[in-house]
Amino acid sequence: DTEVTQTPKHLVMGMTNKKSLKCEQHMGHRAMYWYKQKAKKPPELMFVYSYEKLSINESVPSRFSPECPNSSLLNLHLHALQPEDSALYLCASSQVSGGEKLLFGSGTQLSVL
Amino acid sequence: GENVEQHPSTLSVQEGDSAVIKCTYSDSASNYFPWYKQELGKGPQLIIDIRSNVGEKKDQRIAVTLNKTAKHFSLHITETQPEDSAVYFCAASDSNSGYALNFGKGTSLLVTP
Repeated sequence: DTEVTQTPKHLVMGMTNKKSLKCEQHMGHRAMYWYKQKAKKPPELMFVYSYEKLSINESVPSRFSPECPNSSLLNLHLHALQPEDSALYLCASSQVSGGEKLLFGSGTQLSVL
Repeated sequence: GENVEQHPSTLSVQEGDSAVIKCTYSDSASNYFPWYKQELGKGPQLIIDIRSNVGEKKDQRIAVTLNKTAKHFSLHITETQPEDSAVYFCAASDSNSGYALNFGKGTSLLVTP
C-alpha cells in the first residue's frame, strides 16, 4: 500500500457542528502532516507529527485539534469552525520529518456554512 | 523565515514545446528543493526533487537545475503533452532542522494540442 488515504472526500458542516477528518498510511512513515489549501493558493502547513508526537503547530486556532492515535493514523478534529475555514485539507506523510518526499492524500474538501 | 517566489503564475505552451518555471528562495540554509504537480481535485504529487549538493537532476522529460549562489532553481519540462497541464509548486526546506516545506505560489501550466 503506497497511498495516503483521507476520509471523507467532501464534508459540509455548520458552525456549531463537531466533525473529524481522518488520514491513514501503511508505509511505515514516521512523520505525518496536516495542510490547509485555499483555492488557487499553495498548501499551508498546520501541524506536523513526528514519531506520533506533535512537533510543529503553526499557530493554528484551537478550533482545529489534531490527534495521532498511532503511527498509521492521523485525525483532525473540527469544532465551531468559521466560513473562512472552508478549504481543502490535505494530509501527507514522509519517512522522517523535515519535509522530504512528502506523499499527499487527495484531501477533504470542507465547506462551513 | 524562508520566502519562496515562483514565476510565472500562468504559462501556456503548445504540445511538444518546452516549459520552464523558475523559483527563488531567501534562506541560504535551505538544502532541499522539491517540485509538486497538482491536478484538479487531487493532492500535490512529487515529480522531482534536488538537494543542495547537486546542480542538476533529470527524470525522463523533467529536469531541475539549482544555482545555490544565486538562490534559484528551475523546472524544465520538454516535449510537453496535454496531460502535463496542472498547477506546479516549487518548495524549499532546511530538512536538517526538521522544518517543513515552504511553497511557492504555484504556476498554472496549460498545454494546448
